[in-house]
Amino acid sequence: GQNIDQPTEMTATEGAIVQINCTYQTSGFNGLFWYQQHAGEAPTFLSYNVLDGLEEKGRFSSFLSRSKGYSYLLLKELQMKDSASYLCAVIDSNYQLIWGAGTKLIIKP
Amino acid sequence: SQTIHQWPATLVQPVGSPLSLECTVEGTSNPNLYWYRQAAGRGLQLLFYSVGIGQISSEVPQNLSASRPQDRQFILSSKKLLLSDSGFYLCAWSEGQENQPQHFGDGTRLSIL
Repeated sequence: GQNIDQPTEMTATEGAIVQINCTYQTSGFNGLFWYQQHAGEAPTFLSYNVLDGLEEKGRFSSFLSRSKGYSYLLLKELQMKDSASYLCAVIDSNYQLIWGAGTKLIIKP
Repeated sequence: SQTIHQWPATLVQPVGSPLSLECTVEGTSNPNLYWYRQAAGRGLQLLFYSVGIGQISSEVPQNLSASRPQDRQFILSSKKLLLSDSGFYLCAWSEGQENQPQHFGDGTRLSIL
């Protein structure tokens, strides 16, 4: 079967750095997305990785290792508005998008 | 730029009543369109997707149906709602290429009484 694992919940402090991990077992791989979803709102696209390595976008970076079936989202200089769920999603060999259940990130002052 | 509109934002319906949720996309042609449901505190469940007018693929057998009468219009329907149909319904679109991100509408929060 196809599976994506993310921690259910994480807590971090305002101004700090947090890393949200995602591991996947899918039938093939054609890319990985990270989305942010604030409570009661729709998900918004953050990043896309298809090659190994780090993609940086301001305070957010996303890393991929295809050989390990592993990605992480790194959030720096955390702000209260970063409190949200972060969803990992993988495109499989049939170009179907497989979604993780998401990681709820709680930021404390 | 592309925009996606989904309505209504909230809906309260009695059990056994019909449902029609509508989604339209602007600023693009021949998009892929998707309907998802998200239960409280859970991940996204793909219900239907469409790669073109009249082409609907169903991912989960249930009492819901979808239609795409126009290129940029996607409708989710039910003839008779169940209590288990409560949830947050999200419409999304992506470019036709297969590794493009999906972009979501604001969602409809459906409560069945």
